[in-house]
Amino acid sequence: KNEVEQSPQNLTAQEGEFITINCSYSVGISALHWLQQHPGGGIVSLFMLSSGKKKHGRLIATINIQEKHSSLHITASHPRDSAVYICAVPGRTGGGADGLTFGKGTHLIIQP
Amino acid sequence: EPEVTQTPSHQVTQMGQEVILRCVPISNHLYFYWYRQILGQKVEFLVSFYNNEISEKSEIFDDQFSVERPDGSNFTLKIRSTKLEDSAMYFCASSVFLRVQAQDTQYFGPGTRLTVL
Repeated sequence: KNEVEQSPQNLTAQEGEFITINCSYSVGISALHWLQQHPGGGIVSLFMLSSGKKKHGRLIATINIQEKHSSLHITASHPRDSAVYICAVPGRTGGGADGLTFGKGTHLIIQP
Repeated sequence: EPEVTQTPSHQVTQMGQEVILRCVPISNHLYFYWYRQILGQKVEFLVSFYNNEISEKSEIFDDQFSVERPDGSNFTLKIRSTKLEDSAMYFCASSVFLRVQAQDTQYFGPGTRLTVL
């Protein structure tokens, strides 16, 4: 079973700061997911990546498969980025249509 | 943009009662999932469903839980005799999962908040 660790658990930053959230996992996987959960509870998929780097707007996700580590970066952070950011990996075999194993999430607050 | 829908948004029930949570996955998706999140805790996988049968289930998904795709659009989670500890947000998700890919994005519904009294 894959174990997922995220850091930090809580992060408060000022608007405009560069944000980094880290995720490590214990078992090799085919791809890793980054998700965002808003205060209302809804979960939105941000990235799914299996190698290298992906960028979407001000969000950048990187993964190092050998080191079993991924990072999510937010450039020019804004108060609307305030949310819980969650890392998740395939739980059983590491691939395919496995149910996801979630990290505990990083609670991000961006202050104006 | 197509989305996963869930009903009801909030369900309150008495301990020992049966509840059915409903989900309508995205129409061309093949894999369906249920997850739950107890207040203040991380999201946990319950079960996945493909081709009209359970593909995978977690240790949480015991005999009091069942899933069904009763028609071409709905995907349901039944809890047979609810317990206080079943109080949680329940999320449905779906994915296309084309086997030529190693993994696929899962799209989540807005959740059903279940409160067991």
